Amino acid sequence: EIVLTQSPATLSLSPGERVTLSCRASQSVSRFLGWYQQKPGQAPRLLIYDASNRATDIPARFSGSGSGTDFTLTISSLEPEDFALYHCQQRSNWPFTFGQGTKLEIK
Amino acid sequence: QITLKESGPTLVKPTQTLTLTCTFSGFSLSTTGLGVGWIRQPPGKALEWLALIYWDDDKRYSPSLKSRLTITKDTSKNQVVLTMTNMDSVDTATYYCAHTTIHSTSSLYNWFDPWGQGTLVTVSS
Repeated sequence: EIVLTQSPATLSLSPGERVTLSCRASQSVSRFLGWYQQKPGQAPRLLIYDASNRATDIPARFSGSGSGTDFTLTISSLEPEDFALYHCQQRSNWPFTFGQGTKLEIK
Repeated sequence: QITLKESGPTLVKPTQTLTLTCTFSGFSLSTTGLGVGWIRQPPGKALEWLALIYWDDDKRYSPSLKSRLTITKDTSKNQVVLTMTNMDSVDTATYYCAHTTIHSTSSLYNWFDPWGQGTLVTVSS
């Protein structure tokens, strides 16, 4: 199965800062990589699909890039509501797999 | 508007069988291209995909759990049921169901959107 490795595990930043989260796949997933945001006590919400497409109602400050094995999620200017847990997921091969998550916390 | 909600026991004993029901609205699993998946998340740990069923009754399972999982659908009730046998403490997790599609006209091909609120299942004697 494809292993997704997210880095770093935790990021401490301030509102207004720019942040880039990384997700690396153990083998190529083409562009079939997505990102989810999860706030405490809530279900994950799809942010980005197929590497760079924003899901419905996702603000433009969220962007995704990458292909093959290396992907990034960028938040251009952090809002208070963006401090959450972020997961990447691949749908290229069965079984679908998730990364271990990156926690974005307020500095 | 698509919504999903998980239901089932909050506490099961080791070796018992867990049965979870996902009740959804806003779509039908008789519609070509649609599906429902199950994903779980142990406390403080990563998400793990478990199983998925499509409108045509095509079923997919996580290889590591395949021997313990069964996914079925009841189209008339708008429900998907997941059973997991021989429960153990390591299966303690929040279990989510989620909508997906493999319809040719959808850009969200095999992505999970939206998700249910999740249900916490604790395995303990």
